[in-house]
Amino acid sequence: AQKITQTQPGMFVQEKEAVTLDCTYDTSDQSYGLFWYKQPSSGEMIFLIYQGSYDEQNATEGRYSLNFQKARKSANLVISASQLGDSAMYFCAMREGPKNDMRFGAGTRLTVKP
Amino acid sequence: EADIYQTPRYLVIGTGKKITLECSQTMGHDKMYWYQQDPGMELHLIHYSYGVNSTEKGDLSSESTVSRIRTEHFPLTLESARPSHTSQYLCASSETQGIHEKLFFGSGTQLSVL
Repeated sequence: AQKITQTQPGMFVQEKEAVTLDCTYDTSDQSYGLFWYKQPSSGEMIFLIYQGSYDEQNATEGRYSLNFQKARKSANLVISASQLGDSAMYFCAMREGPKNDMRFGAGTRLTVKP
Repeated sequence: EADIYQTPRYLVIGTGKKITLECSQTMGHDKMYWYQQDPGMELHLIHYSYGVNSTEKGDLSSESTVSRIRTEHFPLTLESARPSHTSQYLCASSETQGIHEKLFFGSGTQLSVL
């Protein structure tokens, strides 16, 4: 069964506007970690933000914030004030037990329009 | 930031050749991973290692093999490359296997088998 679901294969946003990338996950564990990575066309994976399942506050890192809704099992990434350099693939990922290996969603391709 | 290196960056070879993709990290991380990614698709875990002399297969069946003789080095080998092996291979490491631990990624090797 798919553990991480990203339902938006592609998204467009106007420069300087905010955009939300959706991510839902499936786990029966109480303790797990949620991550977002950015992959530009050059191919490297860049860590953006982390949210622990026990964290009560939503994580923020500069223009990135994670909208964590535990009951809904969703961990959406919000990018504020989009920039042209934000155009990339974005992957949601989760670590859960027993091995805590990181699993990735299918990704969302974000295109920022000037 | 992270110091994890993959070589070569790009590789084009003929069917039947033996190849080794190199991955090295200078952070002293015990945990290392290989992911396979087709263009624009999700990452699939194919191998991982929890330390020297420890290797395990991941979720996605792969004809490749790995070794971990030194902490810093985690090479991946294909004994006889085939066109179906054409993909991007991403190496990663983390300090621990905790749910909060992010992965540090190398730049990837784009493999094309003709």
